[in-house]
Amino acid sequence: GENVEQHPSTLSVQEGDSAVIKCTYSDSASNYFPWYKQELGKGPQLIIDIRSNVGEKKDQRIAVTLNKTAKHFSLHITETQPEDSAVYFCAASDPSGNTGKLIFGQGTTLQVKP
Amino acid sequence: NAGVTQTPKFQVLKTGQSMTLQCAQDMNHEYMSWYRQDPGMGLRLIHYSVGAGITDQGEVPNGYNVSRSTTEDFPLRLLSAAPSQTSVYFCASSYETGTGYTFGSGTRLTVV
Repeated sequence: GENVEQHPSTLSVQEGDSAVIKCTYSDSASNYFPWYKQELGKGPQLIIDIRSNVGEKKDQRIAVTLNKTAKHFSLHITETQPEDSAVYFCAASDPSGNTGKLIFGQGTTLQVKP
Repeated sequence: NAGVTQTPKFQVLKTGQSMTLQCAQDMNHEYMSWYRQDPGMGLRLIHYSVGAGITDQGEVPNGYNVSRSTTEDFPLRLLSAAPSQTSVYFCASSYETGTGYTFGSGTRLTVV
């Protein structure tokens, strides 16, 4: 089945710097890749997603890039702010078909220092 | 529109007890899933459903049962609680495959 690896597990940056989180997936049939942000004590919240027919997508300070050949995708956060501090999860859709399942990475704890 | 509602938010069980974690969504989503979250292990799929009356096992189904009698509700049953089931449990739903989930706020379960 699909396997998603996420790196790094922790990331600390200064306010205003950029942050990059990378994920790799194993099954080339996956075609949907969302990113979630989880604040302390809350459920994960979808922040951006990308489909396999698109190479890059931006939404204000966040962007996601997808390299289908290498089977990896990345989350880029520019001009980081303290409120960006959270746990971030990447995910890939179930390659086996119409199940609605998502396979998640292990998560990255991002700390933005003021 | 409440989204995905999970109850209870916190629960302490004794080993061997059973209980049901409730999940309800009001968005008419066909797809629903239960995940558990443990430190360093991300979100692992327990059971999922592609519509009313249809459920299937995920990655870590042992010790859990589910049913989906209506589109709105997807309860998770712990049959005989074990300390290894201490975790945070999230219910999620989506409108169709290949779209993002909406997550509930979670149930923090401790088994002593």
